[in-house]
Amino acid sequence: AQSVTQLDSHVSVSEGTPVLLRCNYSSSYSPSLFWYVQHPNKGLQLLLKYTSAATLVKGINGFEAEFKKSETSFHLTKPSAHMSDAAEYFCVVRATSGGYNKLIFGAGTRLAVHP
Amino acid sequence: EAQVTQNPRYLITVTGKKLTVTCSQNMNHEYMSWYRQDPGLGLRQIYYSMNVEVTDKGDVPEGYKVSRKEKRNFPLILESPSPNQTSLYFCASSLRPRNQPQHFGDGTRLSIL
Repeated sequence: AQSVTQLDSHVSVSEGTPVLLRCNYSSSYSPSLFWYVQHPNKGLQLLLKYTSAATLVKGINGFEAEFKKSETSFHLTKPSAHMSDAAEYFCVVRATSGGYNKLIFGAGTRLAVHP
Repeated sequence: EAQVTQNPRYLITVTGKKLTVTCSQNMNHEYMSWYRQDPGLGLRQIYYSMNVEVTDKGDVPEGYKVSRKEKRNFPLILESPSPNQTSLYFCASSLRPRNQPQHFGDGTRLSIL
């Protein structure tokens, strides 16, 4: 069975400094992995996805993530945080059973950005 | 504008009083799904629908019902709500059952007293 573990429930950074949100996955198969962002009182927006092509995936708003099979990790990074990046971030793996589009979410990491 | 619309956005109600949360998408998507979000647990799937008249249970279906009579609508029904169903609910849709991205609604916050 697939699962994801987000290693930090809260991350706090200063504006202009790098962002690192950590995610480890568990999957018997080559996984499809995603990062979603949730801004307050909003739904979830897809940041980026990995589907077994390039291991370094670029997403929207300057975010990127690197798939590392040897470490079973899919960490999300951004070189320079902006105040508008403050949100909750979810690492997600797509289930391979049942042939449907089920997403398995991590518990989330809340990112705070300070001036 | 392509969107998934949920109503209501907020609801406070009492135990046992039947309620329905509506979800509508305007993208002609086949696949629709309901999730609930609880602190520290991320989102968990309640029910999903592969197409009209095709629905199935997700991971946490107890206490919920759904229907898919039309392609665009996928209402979530709580026949007899209980306090443990107090949560933030999201509807999502995608073009095909295995397509990404899923488009999410803005959420419905339910409080069951």
